[in-house]
Amino acid sequence: DVKVTQSSRYLVKRTGEKVFLECVQDMDHENMFWYRQDPGLGLRLIYFSYDVKMKEKGDIPEGYSVSREKKERFSLILESASTNQTSMYLCASSPRDSLTDTQYFGPGTRLTVL
Amino acid sequence: GQQVMQIPQYQHVQEGEDFTTYCNSSTTLSNIQWYKQRPGGHPVFLIQLVKSGEVKKQKRLTFQFGEAKKNSSLHITATQTTDVGTYFCAGPDQAGTALIFGKGTTLSVSS
Repeated sequence: DVKVTQSSRYLVKRTGEKVFLECVQDMDHENMFWYRQDPGLGLRLIYFSYDVKMKEKGDIPEGYSVSREKKERFSLILESASTNQTSMYLCASSPRDSLTDTQYFGPGTRLTVL
Repeated sequence: GQQVMQIPQYQHVQEGEDFTTYCNSSTTLSNIQWYKQRPGGHPVFLIQLVKSGEVKKQKRLTFQFGEAKKNSSLHITATQTTDVGTYFCAGPDQAGTALIFGKGTTLSVSS
């Protein structure tokens, strides 16, 4: 079974802090994704990566950056956290065949920015 | 831009009743995927449909892909409390670089 893990289930940070969200997958997938999920807005793509050191902006990249130094790990960075970044953050991965292939999601990190 | 819309947003049923959620895309899709997210959980892949007019069944769940490959539906027969959750459809964007998710239909079931 594909396993995608995220470093924290719940996180509370203060405005202005730098926040790191980590995601690790164990299925040797090339593609990894970061989404945020908010009530009424569904899943919105922040960034994705199709290979090590490669990254592409999604629909809402502002205020975020990412890092993919190893194939299995994809990090989401909030450079200076703000209250409007309070959300559920979901990481996902998918195999090489296509960026639009089946995605396997991690359990999510619920981030609260105070 | 390209959109994937789902209706209804919420649906409450009595246990044993049927349930249907509809997914409509503004553009033709190469495939449609369905995911389920239980309360407090994360989206889990259910199925992918590729062919025009395709119908697939998983026990009490029936998935359909429209002839024009622009719409899809998920029908649950005789709902159970274990069916509670949010059902998302998703389709590839035209560039083939991302999945576009619908906003989901949240199903609640009372016994």
